[in-house]
Order: sequence, then structure tokens, then C-alpha cells
Amino acid sequence: GEDVEQSLFLSVREGDSSVINCTYTDSSSTYLYWYKQEPGAGLQLLTYIFSNMDMKQDQRLTVLLNKKDKHLSLRIADTQTGDSAIYFCAERSAGYSTLTFGKGTMLLVSP
Amino acid sequence: EADIYQTPRYLVIGTGKKITLECSQTMGHDKMYWYQQDPGMELHLIHYSYGVNSTEKGDLSSESTVSRIRTEHFPLTLESARPSHTSQYLCASTDASSGTGGTEAFFGQGTRLTVV
Repeated sequence: GEDVEQSLFLSVREGDSSVINCTYTDSSSTYLYWYKQEPGAGLQLLTYIFSNMDMKQDQRLTVLLNKKDKHLSLRIADTQTGDSAIYFCAERSAGYSTLTFGKGTMLLVSP
Repeated sequence: EADIYQTPRYLVIGTGKKITLECSQTMGHDKMYWYQQDPGMELHLIHYSYGVNSTEKGDLSSESTVSRIRTEHFPLTLESARPSHTSQYLCASTDASSGTGGTEAFFGQGTRLTVV
């Protein structure tokens, strides 16, 4: 079945850029997503990218997709303490309505 | 704005009790999902539904059951709770007509279940 892998933990200082990486195995992935989970809450969609795109920018967020290597990254510019959360990468394959999630990356931003 | 609600937010219950976790959404979404999230953060899909009277088991085997009698309501039931059921349970729904390929998932706040 599909598999999505992420590094488990990232620690950065406030003001630095954060880069969270994700790899996936399904070559028929059509959409790829980044979700954010704050403590005690559900997941919230941050951004998404369609598989025919290489890059998408949305304010402080930049998503890069390397479809050949099946690699997705999320860059957060000027990281703030409020960005501390768990970030999940997810993919949807063509013909499937369910999402496959990675295990999540815990981002810790220190002052 | 996401309108999907889970109750209760927190539940501590004794072994052997029957419990129902409630999930409701007011967005008219056909597809709904239950995820179990372990302390290591990983999400496991345990049940999903394509619409009324449709229920499917997810990737992770679960002793829980679900029902979908109404579009907006997708409750999860444990007939006899055990300590191994202690976890965070997240409900989600998706809209087939959204601009994100039909699968932007809206999540509830979750139910933190502890079985003692």
C-alpha cells in the first residue's frame, strides 16, 4: 500500500526558516497536503499542491514537490513560537478518496 | 469555516463499559472518517463512510463499530472498553466538491479516551 514518511522531530530558533521533509511511495499521487496539529486539537489544512506543480507559495509557507524523487517539503519562513506544532504530510492517490498520512513531524520553535 | 464537532472532548471510563463517541458535521459532507492517534502522533484510519448506510473498515483493525444513519452523524461505539483502547480519536469529513481535489479533510477537535 501507499507509504508516507517524515522525520519525527525538528527544532529551530525563532526567526529562522524551518524545512519539514516528506517522502511518499505512490507514483499516482494526485494531491499532496500539509496539515498542522496544535496541542489538544484536530488537524487543520495548511496548504496543498497538485502533482503537476513544482512549487506553491502562500505567505510564509513554500511547498516544493519533486515528483521524480517523490519528495515533498514545507518551508516556513521567519518561524514563530506559534508555529510549534505537529505537521503531517498526506497524499491522495488517483481513484482513492482516503488520505494517507505520514507519522507527523513535531516542530519546536525556541525563543 | 469547518463545522465538525466531537463529544466528549475528554472521557475517563472503567474497563468493560460501553461508550459512544459522537461526531457531527453541518457541512453536508458525504465522506466521514475516524482516526485513532497514538501517543507517538501517528494517525491510523479505523473506519470510514461514503454516505448514509455505508461503513468501511480502515487500515487499522479496531474493535469499535460505527454507524451512518444520517449524513451529518457518524458515531463510534466500543461495546466493552479496555485499557488498550486508551487513545485520541479524531473524526474528519471531506467535501467532494472542494477545490482541493475533493479531499480537504476537516477534523474535529478529537476525543481523548482513557480506560482505567
